[in-house]
Amino acid sequence: DQQVKQNSPSLSVQEGRISILNCDYTNSMFDYFLWYKKYPAEGPTFLISISSIKDKNEDGRFTVFLNKSAKHLSLHIVPSQPGDSAVYFCAASASVGQNFVFGPGTRLSVLP
Amino acid sequence: GAGVSQSPSNKVTEKGKDVELRCDPISGHTALYWYRQSLGQGLEFLIYFQGNSAPDKSGLPSDRFSAERTGGSVSTLTIQRTQQEDSAVYLCASSFHRGRTEAFFGQGTRLTVV
Repeated sequence: DQQVKQNSPSLSVQEGRISILNCDYTNSMFDYFLWYKKYPAEGPTFLISISSIKDKNEDGRFTVFLNKSAKHLSLHIVPSQPGDSAVYFCAASASVGQNFVFGPGTRLSVLP
Repeated sequence: GAGVSQSPSNKVTEKGKDVELRCDPISGHTALYWYRQSLGQGLEFLIYFQGNSAPDKSGLPSDRFSAERTGGSVSTLTIQRTQQEDSAVYLCASSFHRGRTEAFFGQGTRLTVV
């Protein structure tokens, strides 16, 4: 039973356009969410996080939106750049001290 | 060091052999996690250490897997009697506090069981 879902295994976007990566979760105890980016042969690198007390967090070209009632979050990248091509993982944790639970990832390809 | 360091970066072993994977977390980080990523899969939680507390072993797939963390710093993940399905990238991460801040990952150890 996947607690964190990323239903799109892959996404292709033109350079300069917006990339929207989606993530859904089932555990209502999750209250802290993170996005990681992973290049081949490297460990995941942290991108951006959001706490459940917020519905939006922005850092440069990256914005994460959280809809608690829908148990849904999304990562927006604008404008998308070829260097953004990677696998993006959504992760969640609960304040009661659970570990980070990761989604299966979405492979983003930004086409020049 | 500046980041999480894992060794070896690659390991090929014969089925039935034991292997040890090492992780040096970021200095001062009290939380240490082990995950693995099988081909085409997401990150699967294995085990978590926080300070001197008993580790959370809930993700270990079988009793062939064990891990320890000596002195609250370096961790070793041991897989006994390796099987082909153990082939994966084993990732270690560390953070200041469990679940509340981002975890920083090492580059991983690619384990291949032949």
